Amino acid sequence: EPEVTQTPSHQVTQMGQEVILRCVPISNHLYFYWYRQILGQKVEFLVSFYNNEISEKSEIFDDQFSVERPDGSNFTLKIRSTKLEDSAMYFCASSEAAGGNEQFFGPGTRLTVL
Amino acid sequence: AQSVAQPEDQVNVAEGNPLTVKCTYSVSGNPYLFWYVQYPNRGLQFLLKYITGDNLVKGSYGFEAEFNKSQTSFHLKKPSALVSDSALYFCAVRDITGGSYIPTFGRGTSLIVHP
Repeated sequence: EPEVTQTPSHQVTQMGQEVILRCVPISNHLYFYWYRQILGQKVEFLVSFYNNEISEKSEIFDDQFSVERPDGSNFTLKIRSTKLEDSAMYFCASSEAAGGNEQFFGPGTRLTVL
Repeated sequence: AQSVAQPEDQVNVAEGNPLTVKCTYSVSGNPYLFWYVQYPNRGLQFLLKYITGDNLVKGSYGFEAEFNKSQTSFHLKKPSALVSDSALYFCAVRDITGGSYIPTFGRGTSLIVHP
């Protein structure tokens, strides 16, 4: 069964450093998403991506964040200058279409900012 | 605007007993409703959804949910709980008349099934 994969599983970084989180969505999916989940809290939407551009983004997704689909398979989230409060679990998801289609989530990357 | 509430942080049930995990929602128009499950150190996994049609929706692992428009609820149920059902359950809603394609997730309910 196809699945979304994410690397690394755990990333530790110093405050102010740049991090890139990587995702490989399911191959025939067209919509891609990033969410984050701070420990013990709700799942928060960051950004969605379709047709090589951002389709929606939340207030969390400020200028420190960017997304890219550098090739036909990878989907990346970059945080330019990490803050302590960026420590969270980051989930990538993909779906065949928008609307009523369910999203398929990856296993997540745990980002720890020291 | 769309929002979803999961009023219980935790639900405890004995193995073999029926379980219910509650979800209520608020939308301006009509909802798309979803349930996801999250096992420890894993991503969210889709269980079932309501888009249109029958109010009782059947999903993976024997779970089902009933859409109740008058009560704006979409409670998750299973007739006989298993210890392996212990996990975090998230309800999500999307207002189909809203401008966003992004669902809003609830805070999650921890289901603990005791042997």
